[in-house]
Amino acid sequence: KAGVTQTPRYLIKTRGQQVTLSCSPISGHRSVSWYQQTPGQGLQFLFEYFSETQRNKGNFPGRFSGRQFSNSRSEMNVSTLELGDSALYLCASSLATPGETQYFGPGTRLLVL
Amino acid sequence: AQSVTQLGSHVSVSEGALVLLRCNYSSSVPPYLFWYVQYPNQGLQLLLKYTSAATLVKGINGFEAEFKKSETSFHLTKPSAHMSDAAEYFCAVSVSGSARQLTFGSGTQLTVLP
Repeated sequence: KAGVTQTPRYLIKTRGQQVTLSCSPISGHRSVSWYQQTPGQGLQFLFEYFSETQRNKGNFPGRFSGRQFSNSRSEMNVSTLELGDSALYLCASSLATPGETQYFGPGTRLLVL
Repeated sequence: AQSVTQLGSHVSVSEGALVLLRCNYSSSVPPYLFWYVQYPNQGLQLLLKYTSAATLVKGINGFEAEFKKSETSFHLTKPSAHMSDAAEYFCAVSVSGSARQLTFGSGTQLTVLP
């Protein structure tokens, strides 16, 4: 089975712009979660989608949003970018059963200038 | 709410020596516990997980971890370090009902010395 894929892998934006990141889960996985990784804050949960519905959301401002499509692919959007949004954004997919492993993609590295 | 503490942000061992990475968790309900490894410029790879079956969990690449409820610990060990083990290791916890929301520790960078 192909793993979790994320596009693009690298992105450079300027403050005030918006960005959309994409994640394709492992075939058959219906849950997609997003995490932000920074040197200062570590790995933090952004949100989780299941069957096109957001089921869980972390403590991030409303500038961070996402959606999931009927084929389970997910996108996250960050509007009005700030310098502090520079991070590695990781997507993970799972079968959405308790204790089930989340499989991570390689991440999208976003640099905001 | 659950939390994870990883003691030691940097650990150095000699090749062939024992690897011990410490993880303590806090959870008001029985947790699911995970160890992930991250190599430079890559995502996270699962090493092993505890889901209330055996308390001693064996994972990939010779790693194992023991769940100790009385100590709220889930330390990761490997009997003999290899140069390829150099990476960052993350302990994570989730609880029933929010199994897709992982709470991560701050990570431990493992250096293996020749």
